[in-house]
Amino acid sequence: AQSVTQLGSHVSVSEGALVLLRCNYSSSVPPYLFWYVQYPNQGLQLLLKYTTGATLVKGINGFEAEFKKSETSFHLTKPSAHMSDAAEYFCAVSEGRGNNRLAFGKGNQVVVIP
Amino acid sequence: DGGITQSPKYLFRKEGQNVTLSCEQNLNHDAMYWYRQDPGQGLRLIYYSQIVNDFQKGDIAEGYSVSREKKESFPLTVTSAQKNPTAFYLCASSNDASYYGYTFGSGTRLTVV
Repeated sequence: AQSVTQLGSHVSVSEGALVLLRCNYSSSVPPYLFWYVQYPNQGLQLLLKYTTGATLVKGINGFEAEFKKSETSFHLTKPSAHMSDAAEYFCAVSEGRGNNRLAFGKGNQVVVIP
Repeated sequence: DGGITQSPKYLFRKEGQNVTLSCEQNLNHDAMYWYRQDPGQGLRLIYYSQIVNDFQKGDIAEGYSVSREKKESFPLTVTSAQKNPTAFYLCASSNDASYYGYTFGSGTRLTVV
C-alpha cells in the first residue's frame, strides 16, 4: 500500500524567504503525486500534480514541485514566501491509473513571519 | 459553476444524538468520499463510494453510516456510537482520482456540546 511522509508538522518561514516542504512516498508502482493547500476552516484546494512527463511541475500561487524517482520524493517549493501562504499543505499519492483513492500525508502547517 | 457543497458549515450536537452531514456535488463524479480531520492527524478516511448504491468502509468507519441513493449525494450520519465526534468533516468527489485527484467541499465543523 502506498504511504506518504511529511516531516515537521509546523514550518515557520520569514516573509520573502524560500518555502520548502518535504514529501516522501512509498509506492510499488510509478506514482501519481499531488500537493493540496488548506486555508483555515476551508476544504483542500489542488496546488499541483505530477502524473507523467516533465518532473518539475508548476502550480498555482507560484509553487512548484519536483518528482525525483531515485529519492522517492516530491518536495514543494516557493522562492519567496508571502503572508498569504500561511496555510496547511498536504502531499498525496495514488498508485497509478485505476486506483481511485489517494493516501495523504499528515500535513505541514506553514506560518509566515513578517 | 460545478462544485461540491457541504452543509451546514457549523453544527452543534448534544451527546447521544445522531446527526447527518450533507454532501452534494454537480460535477457528475462517480466516486465520493468522507474524511475526518483532527489537529495534527491529517485526513482519515471514514467511508467512500465508487458508484450509486455501493460504499465501502474506510479506516475509521465505526460510529458512522452513509448512503448513496443518488449519484449527486453522499450524506454522512454521525451516530451516538461515535465516542469522540467533535471534528472537521470533509467530503470529496472524483472521476479517476489517480489522475485528477479529488475535489473537496468546504467542510462541516461538528461540535458536541
